[in-house]
Amino acid sequence: NAGVTQTPKFQVLKTGQSMTLQCAQDMNHNSMYWYRQDPGMGLRLIYYSASEGTTDKGEVPNGYNVSRLNKREFSLRLESAAPSQTSVYFCASMTENIQYFGAGTRLSVL
Amino acid sequence: AQSVTQPDIHITVSEGASLELRCNYSYGATPYLFWYVQSPGQGLQLLLKYFSGDTLVQGIKGFEAEFKRSQSSFNLRKPSVHWSDAAEYFCAVGAQGWNQFYFGTGTSLTVIP
Repeated sequence: NAGVTQTPKFQVLKTGQSMTLQCAQDMNHNSMYWYRQDPGMGLRLIYYSASEGTTDKGEVPNGYNVSRLNKREFSLRLESAAPSQTSVYFCASMTENIQYFGAGTRLSVL
Repeated sequence: AQSVTQPDIHITVSEGASLELRCNYSYGATPYLFWYVQSPGQGLQLLLKYFSGDTLVQGIKGFEAEFKRSQSSFNLRKPSVHWSDAAEYFCAVGAQGWNQFYFGTGTSLTVIP
């Protein structure tokens, strides 16, 4: 049982490049989340999807877009990466008010 | 607004010593409270949760936490720390019907032999 799978694990981008972070869960959960983790700031919510076909902004949505492709997959897109988006990104899914996290994507924007 | 405060950024304890990590939350009604642990390079793993009922909850790896409504606190404890407990610990708050959860800034635990 894989749980929540994120790809890639590491990525280096140049300023202005675009990329999509992938997330898939095999637990049949309705809700999925994207967080970023920065030193001293904990986890901050970027976007979430309460169910297939719906997405909502979290605390720090600027510079990001998301797609809930189906019940399993929830992707995060950076259209024009900026150094301020250097961070560790976590995807999570939720059932019964408990969140399950992926291992993270470590992104550096130069 | 909802918030979670973990006042200790970093804690160092000796192996075998007891541990208490502090967490205070701000929320008007009865919260759902969580403690997660993050090992280096890993995602977050749920240690324990409080939804209702007994205010002392047991979790995995020998951890427990106590919900104190009067103090708006949910402190994490372990009677005897092991070297493998070295990690970052996050407190989080949610509530029934919420789609969002709020995380504290984390407490980094170092265990010395």
